[in-house]
Amino acid sequence: AQTVTQSQPEMSVQEAETVTLSCTYDTSENNYYLFWYKQPPSRQMILVIRQEAYKQQNATENRFSVNFQKAAKSFSLKISDSQLGDTAMYFCAFIMYGGSQGNLIFGKGTKLSVKP
Amino acid sequence: ETGVTQTPRHLVMGMTNKKSLKCEQHLGHNAMYWYKQSAKKPLELMFVYSLEERVENNSVPSRFSPECPNSSHLFLHLHTLQPEDSALYLCASSPGTSGYLEQFFGPGTRLTVL
Repeated sequence: AQTVTQSQPEMSVQEAETVTLSCTYDTSENNYYLFWYKQPPSRQMILVIRQEAYKQQNATENRFSVNFQKAAKSFSLKISDSQLGDTAMYFCAFIMYGGSQGNLIFGKGTKLSVKP
Repeated sequence: ETGVTQTPRHLVMGMTNKKSLKCEQHLGHNAMYWYKQSAKKPLELMFVYSLEERVENNSVPSRFSPECPNSSHLFLHLHTLQPEDSALYLCASSPGTSGYLEQFFGPGTRLTVL
């Protein structure tokens, strides 16, 4: 069975600094997708960034980037120039490629606080 | 209304009550999902509907009964719940169920079972 582990329940960072959130996963599959979702205090979860396992290049979306290490089964999220609006729960998620019926597997989340 | 909406936002019910949660998506998507979010636990996928047909049921107790009358609406009917069912219930939708597709979430219904 696939599992996703986020080892940091809580983190904090000063505004404008950089923070890295960790995620590891366990699967025997070779083709899959990885996601980071953000859930601000208002609770509507939104997609931050996604990575296809077959792509070696790390995904980047503005201030958000990932460090995808397939052999190590690691998928960390780096937030640069942190802003107060980045305060949220961050969830790492995994899904198998094809025929997975939308079955996203989530980690327990990391609560990130950005301090002024 | 835009995106994914859920009503009610908060619900308190006794163990003998029957209630329903409603989800509506305004995105033209073909797939809809129910998740349970409990404190200190990963989100748990409960049900998946694709083109109004249930395609996934992750061993959810029968006291939870989903209904998808059309591709825009999804309901979760609740009856004889237990206190451990108290949680945030999230609805989501996506264009289809292919893995790479982003899921769009609603704000959730905070359920408390007394």
